[in-house]
Amino acid sequence: GAVVSQHPSWVICKSGTSVKIECRSLDFQATTMFWYRQFPKQSLMLMATSNEGSKATYEQGVEKDKFLINHASLTLSTLTVTSAHPEDSSFYICSAPRVYNEQFFGPGTRLTVL
Amino acid sequence: QQQVKQSPQSLIVQKGGISIINCAYENTAFDYFPWYQQFPGKGPALLIAIRPDVSEKKEGRFTISFNKSAKQFSLHIMDSQPGDSATYFCAAPQGGGGNKLTFGTGTQLKVEL
Repeated sequence: GAVVSQHPSWVICKSGTSVKIECRSLDFQATTMFWYRQFPKQSLMLMATSNEGSKATYEQGVEKDKFLINHASLTLSTLTVTSAHPEDSSFYICSAPRVYNEQFFGPGTRLTVL
Repeated sequence: QQQVKQSPQSLIVQKGGISIINCAYENTAFDYFPWYQQFPGKGPALLIAIRPDVSEKKEGRFTISFNKSAKQFSLHIMDSQPGDSATYFCAAPQGGGGNKLTFGTGTQLKVEL
């Protein structure tokens, strides 16, 4: 069964609003989670590393003020897309490592900004 | 940062045939190489992974072959089925500590009847 969940699975919002996406590890604790972005027919692009108890680390070129990450507990990380614009429309996926590098991915969240 | 080159970009195989996808990496310091399978609209699912202390790992119809000297690893899908039609990504540790992975560009596999 699924070991990482995401909510919501899809969201449509108006330009300028903020959207929060939740990522939960279901049967294990994750001090680190990862957030990816995927455009149609493209690979996964790592956006940031979510660290429980400390600030997230962002990949080069990712705006930390636009993509707010909070690792609230050992099983929950949230990604908030602030002041969303149509170019932020994408498929957002989180992952969590369970043992060593064995990462499990969530089912993804499809964000559409009108 | 680790680069991972994946080929082919797309692949069409007849039902029952063998699908082969290749990946090449740069940094030899790392020790975990997974393959992920992704269906449209879904998150990637870990398919099979290998550590470089072995040259081959087999799980059911899926086999990873690993060539450490050539810095290459490949995924073989035996007896390919239409249900295997998906996008496949190889990955390698990104380096710099932690569990970050760098993904290949993906291979879109279609298995035809």
